[in-house]
Amino acid sequence: GESVGLHLPTLSVQEGDNSIINCAYSNSASDYFIWYKQESGKGPQFIIDIRSNMDKRQGQRVTVLLNKTVKHLSLQIAATQPGDSAVYFCAETSNQGGKLIFGQGTELSVKP
Amino acid sequence: DGGITQSPKYLFRKEGQNVTLSCEQNLNHDAMYWYRQDPGQGLRLIYYSQIVNDFQKGDIAEGYSVSREKKESFPLTVTSAQKNPTAFYLCASSSPGQGKDQPQHFGDGTRLSIL
Repeated sequence: GESVGLHLPTLSVQEGDNSIINCAYSNSASDYFIWYKQESGKGPQFIIDIRSNMDKRQGQRVTVLLNKTVKHLSLQIAATQPGDSAVYFCAETSNQGGKLIFGQGTELSVKP
Repeated sequence: DGGITQSPKYLFRKEGQNVTLSCEQNLNHDAMYWYRQDPGQGLRLIYYSQIVNDFQKGDIAEGYSVSREKKESFPLTVTSAQKNPTAFYLCASSSPGQGKDQPQHFGDGTRLSIL
């Protein structure tokens, strides 16, 4: 069946270092991917998205990489700050227009 | 500011009681969604609606019901048939974006607990 999963459930980094959060997906037909950030007690916040016709997209301090050959998605956060501490989810579209499949999430902890 | 408003923030349910969670958006989005999130887990889709007066079951619809009488509103009722309703409930909306997928935008959730 379709699924999206994360390699690491927790990630601890030093403030100022770069963070890399990974995600594997199983549906090779998926053509749209999103990264969300969720802080405690709040709803997920959109970070960045990428379509399958691209392999890299950059935002402010964040970069998403898509490797369709191995069905792998990653989120890179540059110069990680304490405010980046949260749970990060990847999501992909299913074949049923608009429905997203979410991974389990990775908790990012930034040490000062 | 445009956004998605969920209310209440905290809700308690007694045995045998139905409760309704509110979700309102002023983003003029056509599609709306309800998700359930359990501790340490991802989001699971309960129901979704692509257009007014139409909705579809998601992956875990049993024990829940919805309505979509207005574009801006998509209330979720947790019925007494849902035996394990304690969870964090998230509402989202998105715009079809001329046939291309668009990101879903989320409210800040309602935490439902059993008394």
